[in-house]
Amino acid sequence: GAGVSQSPSNKVTEKGKDVELRCDPISGHTALYWYRQSLGQGLEFLIYFQGNSAPDKSGLPSDRFSAERTGGSVSTLTIQRTQQEDSAVYLCASSQTANTEAFFGQGTRLTVV
Amino acid sequence: RKEVEQDPGPFNVPEGATVAFNCTYSNSASQSFFWYRQDCRKEPKLLMSVYSSGNEDGRFTAQLNRASQYISLLIRDSKLSDSATYLCVLRDDKIIFGKGTRLHILP
Repeated sequence: GAGVSQSPSNKVTEKGKDVELRCDPISGHTALYWYRQSLGQGLEFLIYFQGNSAPDKSGLPSDRFSAERTGGSVSTLTIQRTQQEDSAVYLCASSQTANTEAFFGQGTRLTVV
Repeated sequence: RKEVEQDPGPFNVPEGATVAFNCTYSNSASQSFFWYRQDCRKEPKLLMSVYSSGNEDGRFTAQLNRASQYISLLIRDSKLSDSATYLCVLRDDKIIFGKGTRLHILP
């Protein structure tokens, strides 16, 4: 596709369930980023990938959060045992290299009830 | 000191006016700079890159001052559709965002 694609666009889950969020970056982009944004707040860095490796996982809020990227393309962000404070919009971005323009997907709006 | 600092606003500006935002950054080694805009409940979208020589795209002008470590965005002849949050962005391995400046263009 032409842009970054994220799925699902909306997810409502019960507290304690696991969720998996998917990001398809722009073809050929080596760098991939996950951020989250709570309503009215700024963007919170979670993790980034260069190729399939994640040099910086410092933003992951707890060990319930994990992410992987395979084949230098699709990435999944997994949240285990979801809590209400995990409710946010999860945004994925990709860029051709580490210092170039980054393009965002439309996000996954996660609601934990 | 925060990596990127912006005045959160809001800036309330009448339609047709000129408005300018500044953004300061702390890492003098930063190489790449951008302005993004974010509409309510939407993802950030790239507005323009910022080059040392300054660059212009229609009504928008971006400037970089490395000596003083700030970048600026000037919007001329503002339109109602310019109402958004403007995010100052630095690139290293991560994408480093400012908290954004809210702009409201008033009819």
